[in-house]
Amino acid sequence: EDQVTQSPEALRLQEGESSSLNCSYTVSGLRGLFWYRQDPGKGPEFLFTLYSAGEEKEKERLKATLTKKESFLHITAPKPEDSATYLCASRGGTSYGKLTFGQGTILTVHP
Amino acid sequence: NAGVTQTPKFQVLKTGQSMTLQCAQDMNHNSMYWYRQDPGMGLRLIYYSASEGTTDKGEVPNGYNVSRLNKREFSLRLESAAPSQTSVYFCASSPARTGGTEAFFGQGTRLTVV
Repeated sequence: EDQVTQSPEALRLQEGESSSLNCSYTVSGLRGLFWYRQDPGKGPEFLFTLYSAGEEKEKERLKATLTKKESFLHITAPKPEDSATYLCASRGGTSYGKLTFGQGTILTVHP
Repeated sequence: NAGVTQTPKFQVLKTGQSMTLQCAQDMNHNSMYWYRQDPGMGLRLIYYSASEGTTDKGEVPNGYNVSRLNKREFSLRLESAAPSQTSVYFCASSPARTGGTEAFFGQGTRLTVV
């Protein structure tokens, strides 16, 4: 069974204080590792897809990286508008059509 | 571009009542999904439809039924609502039949069963 675990559960940063969010996964035949952002009262918003170890993708202050067991979402010089819940999800080769989500990391950036 | 549209946005039901949650996507996607999100439980898959005419159970299907009405629409029905079905329900769609591509989510339906 696919499993995704995110840490920490909550992270408080000062504006400009860079940090990383962790996503550990156990998936048979990874078909994609996904990062989403979710604002309160909204649906998850797609950020990145990573397919193979060593792959990196960037968008503004966010960079996602992937190893064979983990993915990291690096946040460089965050701003208060980066405050949100960040969700990690996997899709495995034997779990057709299904995304397995982690619990999420609640990020708060103080000005 | 609307993306994935869910109706209603909010609903309160009494135990035993039935209702249907509607979902429509305008991205010509093949696959559609229903998830529920509960505090501390994350997002869990209820049912999915790989393509028009097919549906399959996800992780938590008990108490729900689905209909893939056409390529655009995928509805979720609660036949006899229970308090345990109080949750936020999200519909999602993705392009590919065989996975490996991202899913796009609607804004959610907040359901309370009293």
